Amino acid sequence: DAGITQSPRYKITETGRQVTLMCHQTWSHSYMFWYRQDLGHGLRLIYYSAAADITDKGEVPDGYVVSRSKTENFPLTLESATRSQTSVYFCATMGGATNEKLFFGSGTQLSVL
Amino acid sequence: KNQVEQSPQSLIILEGKNCTLQCNYTVSPFSNLRWYKQDTGRGPVSLTIMTFSENTKSNGRYTATLDADTKQSSLHITASQLSDSASYICVVSAGQGWTRAANDMRFGAGTRLTVKP
Repeated sequence: DAGITQSPRYKITETGRQVTLMCHQTWSHSYMFWYRQDLGHGLRLIYYSAAADITDKGEVPDGYVVSRSKTENFPLTLESATRSQTSVYFCATMGGATNEKLFFGSGTQLSVL
Repeated sequence: KNQVEQSPQSLIILEGKNCTLQCNYTVSPFSNLRWYKQDTGRGPVSLTIMTFSENTKSNGRYTATLDADTKQSSLHITASQLSDSASYICVVSAGQGWTRAANDMRFGAGTRLTVKP
């Protein structure tokens, strides 16, 4: 019972291909987030969602698309992958007694060749 | 310029020793400050969360301090263990309320701590 699960764990793709990273949570938390983590940089927010069918851009949304038809799933799609999108991607949910805690998945390491 | 700066970038200490990690920020208006631990190949895990009115918060051997006037925070690790080897990330939020602040988080690049036997 992992709570928040990301798949795949590792992905290698080629420039121009479409790639979808999956995120699934079992808590029914309303808020979900996608971040990317690059060496020497802090995590940067790509997109977030306040509830099913409600999504909004974060700091670095260009080249990414998200959807949230169900509360538990929040997939991230790279429509036409570029080498600059090589990164580690983390999905997160927000929960806790006052919605103050962020819970992260284990990440997807994506390489675009 | 990153709004959250952490120092040092990396640190090596011997098992059993104490250490202190620093976080300076320029994020405004300030809402809350979090420290996370990230093991290699894993997602970050929350250690502490502090709001403006709190100046210290402990979680076992981890103690975080906050000086909102100087915009500085530190994470002190006592009696280090091999399992403390990880990256420690400082996260500062602006905005009002927990969820609004979550959408406006600024992450530091982290301090890589290595604890040697």
